[in-house]
Amino acid sequence: QQQVKQSPQSLIVQKGGISIINCAYENTAFDYFPWYQQFPGKGPALLIAIRPDVSEKKEGRFTISFNKSAKQFSLHIMDSQPGDSATYFCAASSPGTASKLTFGTGTRLQVTL
Amino acid sequence: DSGVTQTPKHLITATGQRVTLRCSPRSGDLSVYWYQQSLDQGLQFLIQYYNGEERAKGNILERFSAQQFPDLHSELNLSSLELGDSALYFCASSARQGNSPLHFGNGTRLTVT
Repeated sequence: QQQVKQSPQSLIVQKGGISIINCAYENTAFDYFPWYQQFPGKGPALLIAIRPDVSEKKEGRFTISFNKSAKQFSLHIMDSQPGDSATYFCAASSPGTASKLTFGTGTRLQVTL
Repeated sequence: DSGVTQTPKHLITATGQRVTLRCSPRSGDLSVYWYQQSLDQGLQFLIQYYNGEERAKGNILERFSAQQFPDLHSELNLSSLELGDSALYFCASSARQGNSPLHFGNGTRLTVT
């Protein structure tokens, strides 16, 4: 049972463009939504996270948009750079178990010159 | 560097064998989590320990077991290995049980031949 659906599987964006990755969840009890970035040979690293009491959170070039009624959230990478090329995972967890994350299947982002 | 150390980095073994994966959490982190990452399943939560006690179980097979020792390091034991067990196994740690970010190690790549 996949509780967090992520799309697209892969994404190619030109340098300077906007990368958008979408996730949808089913469990309405989820209340913590992080995004992780993973480079080859490394473990996932927390990029940015949001809770459903806000609709948007921005950190530098990375923005999470959250739509509670649609049960969807997305990651926007502005001014995408070749160094952003990595696999991105969305995740979600329920209250009291915020660190027991359910992950999406990942999006492989390639930023071309 | 996340501060989470996993050993070994690579492990190649035959079907039917047993292996032990080791994880040292970040200094001060009491919670340890194990995740399995395979190409077709993404990141799957296996099990969580907090200060030596098992706190949550995910889709962990009966052939797999784990423990967290008094010095907070953790071991994941995989027995009667099958070809399908080939995957990346990640350990993550967090300061508390919930509402704190997960910090992942760089994983152990297990290949079962």
